Amino acid sequence: DIVMTQSPDSLVVSLGERATINCKSSQTVLYSSNNKNYLAWYQQKAGQPPKVLIYWASTRESGVPDRFSGSGSGTDFTLTISSLQAEDVAVYYCQQYYETPYSFGQGTKLEIK
Amino acid sequence: QVQLQESGPGLVKPSETLSLTCTVSGYSISSGYYWGWIREPPGKGLEWIGSVHHSGSTYYKPSLRSRVTISLDTSKNQFSLNLSSVTVADTAVYYCARSVDLYYYMDVWGKGTTVIVSS
Repeated sequence: DIVMTQSPDSLVVSLGERATINCKSSQTVLYSSNNKNYLAWYQQKAGQPPKVLIYWASTRESGVPDRFSGSGSGTDFTLTISSLQAEDVAVYYCQQYYETPYSFGQGTKLEIK
Repeated sequence: QVQLQESGPGLVKPSETLSLTCTVSGYSISSGYYWGWIREPPGKGLEWIGSVHHSGSTYYKPSLRSRVTISLDTSKNQFSLNLSSVTVADTAVYYCARSVDLYYYMDVWGKGTTVIVSS
């Protein structure tokens, strides 16, 4: 099974500042035949289900603000929030869908300073 | 607009079977896609349990395979989760979700339902 490891576990950032969350997979999630990384990022606010923000590692879901961006390839990925807003307080998860069983990172809790 | 809604008992006794249903609106599950279950134990992260294809093919997390059954009821536009021989470790919020393909992210989620395993 692919193990997903996020860092840090928690993050405190000031409003308007940049937030960066990292995700590392135990094996590649890049499918060489189509050059796609099978990696998604989800945002989960308190009491709500997860919501997809980014898929294929860097494609923003429709309606997601452009302050959210994803990067990386192979085994190392990053979610960046360019200018933190109050409504971005949440737990963020990466997930690989390269193979079953799908697996998630342990989550990163993002708070406002 | 596709919507998913979980339902089922909120309390299950140890050793019994947990049974949940996900009702889909806005799309006929017999037409396509994969329909899955994910859970979130208290204070822990997300765990994929398994998925069912509209054809009825199933895919389960290996560590749960011996206890899990996911099935479709196309007449009711629902899919269900049965988890047998539950223990307190199965206490969690259970979500149902859709993915367009097997190797695809989950783009639509239900709101989740809490299941507590306790005597």
